[in-house]
Amino acid sequence: NAGVTQTPKFQVLKTGQSMTLQCAQDMNHNSMYWYRQDPGMGLRLIYYSASEGTTDKGEVPNGYNVSRLNKREFSLRLESAAPSQTSVYFCASSVMTSGGPYNEQFFGPGTRLTVL
Amino acid sequence: AQKVTQAQTEISVVEKEDVTLDCVYETRDTTYYLFWYKQPPSGELVFLIRRNSFDEQNEISGRYSWNFQKSTSSFNFTITASQVVDSAVYFCALRRSQGAGSYQLTFGKGTKLSVIP
Repeated sequence: NAGVTQTPKFQVLKTGQSMTLQCAQDMNHNSMYWYRQDPGMGLRLIYYSASEGTTDKGEVPNGYNVSRLNKREFSLRLESAAPSQTSVYFCASSVMTSGGPYNEQFFGPGTRLTVL
Repeated sequence: AQKVTQAQTEISVVEKEDVTLDCVYETRDTTYYLFWYKQPPSGELVFLIRRNSFDEQNEISGRYSWNFQKSTSSFNFTITASQVVDSAVYFCALRRSQGAGSYQLTFGKGTKLSVIP
């Protein structure tokens, strides 16, 4: 049981390049999330997927797109990277029960992205 | 709007000392959930605890304890007899129980704890 896995661990891009961050979970969780962590800012939600087939914007969605490929996988795409997107990106997942999405989120190890 | 404030940016303690990490939150909701996460130097986020707003009972887990006071909107975290392995950044987070934004964890900016041997 690997939990939440992310690839790659590190990436350096030039301004304007595109890339996709991959995330997979093997805990049979319904909901998946993408966060970014910047120094002194805590974590901020980029996009989330409440369940397979749905995606919604979070707090900072501009410049990103997501795809919920299936129940296990949730990818984050940067179409035209900018230096402001230099950050550490975390994927997370959680169970959604009938009472709501209040369960704890489990995080992947993160992807450290630098945009030059 | 939801807001979490962790006023202590960095704390240093000597091993075996007790330390309390403060968390103050703002919400207009009557029901909500509070969390603590640990981020060790390796970078991953480790879930520590979830607390429901309607349950103000304090919780203890080994050397860790949490004090939830709804009246002061605080959810403080105490480590007793700190160890070097406790060195990490600790995040407090808030989540709505329903409605718009209920999927989002609102994080504080974190408190970096350094335990000196």
